[in-house]
Amino acid sequence: GENVEQHPSTLSVQEGDSAVIKCTYSDSASNYFPWYKQELGKRPQLIIDIRSNVGEKKDQRIAVTLNKTAKHFSLHITETQPEDSAVYFCAASKDSGGSNYKLTFGKGTLLTVNP
Amino acid sequence: DSGVTQTPKHLITATGQRVTLRCSPRSGDLSVYWYQQSLDQGLQFLIHYYNGEERAKGNILERFSAQQFPDLHSELNLSSLELGDSALYFCASSVGSGRALAIEQFFGPGTRLTVL
Repeated sequence: GENVEQHPSTLSVQEGDSAVIKCTYSDSASNYFPWYKQELGKRPQLIIDIRSNVGEKKDQRIAVTLNKTAKHFSLHITETQPEDSAVYFCAASKDSGGSNYKLTFGKGTLLTVNP
Repeated sequence: DSGVTQTPKHLITATGQRVTLRCSPRSGDLSVYWYQQSLDQGLQFLIHYYNGEERAKGNILERFSAQQFPDLHSELNLSSLELGDSALYFCASSVGSGRALAIEQFFGPGTRLTVL
């Protein structure tokens, strides 16, 4: 089955700096890659996603890049703010048949933005 | 607010007991996914239902079962509970069709299960 590796497990940056989180996946058939932000005790919240027919997607301060050949994708957050502090999860998915798009998650990255 | 609701928010019970977790998907969503989140295992897929039918199973124990009802809400039943079943249980819903932009999953607030 699919395996998603995520690095780093913790990341501390100064407010205003950029943060980059990287993930690799094992199943070359995966074609959908969402990123979730989870604050302590809260639900995972979809912040951005990318499909395999696109190499890069940007939404304000957040961008995601995908390299299908290398099977890795990254989340980039620019001009970080204290409210960006949370655990970020990457995930990979594909149509497993019967409209099933189960998500396989990375282990998460705890991002701390210091004021 | 994702539009996905889950009840109860917290559940404390004893080993050997049985509990039922409930999930109501966003209006119009046909797919319901259940995930378990624990410190050691992370976020893991349990089971998927689409329009009332089971479509896939993941790392779900035989003591666990689920169903999706005609009104599309779903229930996850956990029986013969063990200490290790303590975790956050999330459901997520999506439109579920194969069309583009219809597979994003939106998570509910979760049920925190504590088995004592």
